[in-house]
Amino acid sequence: AQSVTQLGSHVSVSEGALVLLRCNYSSSVPPYLFWYVQYPNQGLQLLLKYTSAATLVKGINGFEAEFKKSETSFHLTKPSAHMSDAAEYFCAVSGGSQGNLIFGKGTKLSVKP
Amino acid sequence: NAGVTQTPKFRILKIGQSMTLQCAQDMNHNYMYWYRQDPGMGLKLIYYSVGAGITDKGEVPNGYNVSRSTTEDFPLRLELAAPSQTSVYFCASSPPWGRNTGELFFGEGSRLTVL
Repeated sequence: AQSVTQLGSHVSVSEGALVLLRCNYSSSVPPYLFWYVQYPNQGLQLLLKYTSAATLVKGINGFEAEFKKSETSFHLTKPSAHMSDAAEYFCAVSGGSQGNLIFGKGTKLSVKP
Repeated sequence: NAGVTQTPKFRILKIGQSMTLQCAQDMNHNYMYWYRQDPGMGLKLIYYSVGAGITDKGEVPNGYNVSRSTTEDFPLRLELAAPSQTSVYFCASSPPWGRNTGELFFGEGSRLTVL
């Protein structure tokens, strides 16, 4: 069965610092992987997705993620954090024939001035 | 372009009351889903539908019911509300699995409190 584990429920960085949010997955088939972002009191929106093409995936707002099969990881990075990046981030893996996604528990990112 | 629309955005219920959360999408998506989000727990799938007239249980279906009479609408009914159903509910949709890569399109959520 597919699953994802997000390491760290809360990450705090200074403005301008590197953002690294960790996600490890478990999947019995080649996975599709996603990062979603949720701003306060809003729904989830797609940041980026891996669909078995390039292993380095670029998304919106300067975020990118690298698929590493040997490490079963799909970590999200951004070189320089901005105050507007403060949000909750969810990693997800494709779950099966019904098309639903399996979500991690989320990582809340805080950005200090 | 509306996308996925959920109503109401906020609701307070008393224990034992019933209500329906509405969800509509205008993207002609076959697949629709209801998730609940609880703090620190991520999103859990309640029910899903692969097309009009077809629904199935997800991970946490107890206390809920759904129907899918049209492609556009996928209401979620809570019968005999309990405090454990206090949560934020998200409706989502997607094209059929074979024609997409699994991306879901989410509504803005319905925040429900049961007192």
